[in-house]
Amino acid sequence: GDSVTQMEGPVTLSEEAFLTINCTYTATGYPSLFWYVQYPGEGLQLLLKATKADDKGSNKGFEATYRKETTSFHLEKGSVQVSDSAVYFCALRRASGGSYIPTFGRGTSLIVHP
Amino acid sequence: NAGVMQNPRHLVRRRGQEARLRCSPMKGHSHVYWYRQLPEEGLKFMVYLQKENIIDESGMPKERFSAEFPKEGPSILRIQQVVRGDSAAYFCASSPVVAENTEAFFGQGTRLTVV
Repeated sequence: GDSVTQMEGPVTLSEEAFLTINCTYTATGYPSLFWYVQYPGEGLQLLLKATKADDKGSNKGFEATYRKETTSFHLEKGSVQVSDSAVYFCALRRASGGSYIPTFGRGTSLIVHP
Repeated sequence: NAGVMQNPRHLVRRRGQEARLRCSPMKGHSHVYWYRQLPEEGLKFMVYLQKENIIDESGMPKERFSAEFPKEGPSILRIQQVVRGDSAAYFCASSPVVAENTEAFFGQGTRLTVV
């Protein structure tokens, strides 16, 4: 079945450091890929998405490129802020038997220190 | 346009009691997904519903758990005879259409604690 694998956290960085959170997926066909962010005590919010190979999703300084050849969708940001501290989830969605159930990775916690 | 509304935000139940979790999808959304989040385990899919129909319940335990999405009113996730292992955050998400390139919109979750 479909699956999403993320790097384990927590990822601890100093403010203004470069961020990479790795995400790889297993799925047949051509899924759409998403990054969600969850702040403490809250639900998940969409951060960015890409719907086909080589697409780049971007939002709030975060970027991720859909790499079909490596089945990856790594999240990057050039300069993190304390306010970016949260849990980040990589997800995919594709047609399967008529349903499009989103599949999530385990989440990666990011802690940014001043 | 209000987002996905879940209530209650926090729920405490004693072992053996019933827990009822409610989810009102965004206006115009007819597809609802329930997920359970345990510490260090991420989001686990439980059930997918459309109005008056369960489409996929492959992630839901066969006993004690049930879900519905009636023609009128919110979607309900019911857990009977709760046990300590049911303590978790339960999230509901909704979508307007069945399509792989659309996002799912999440509620703020219900945090269930079984004492």
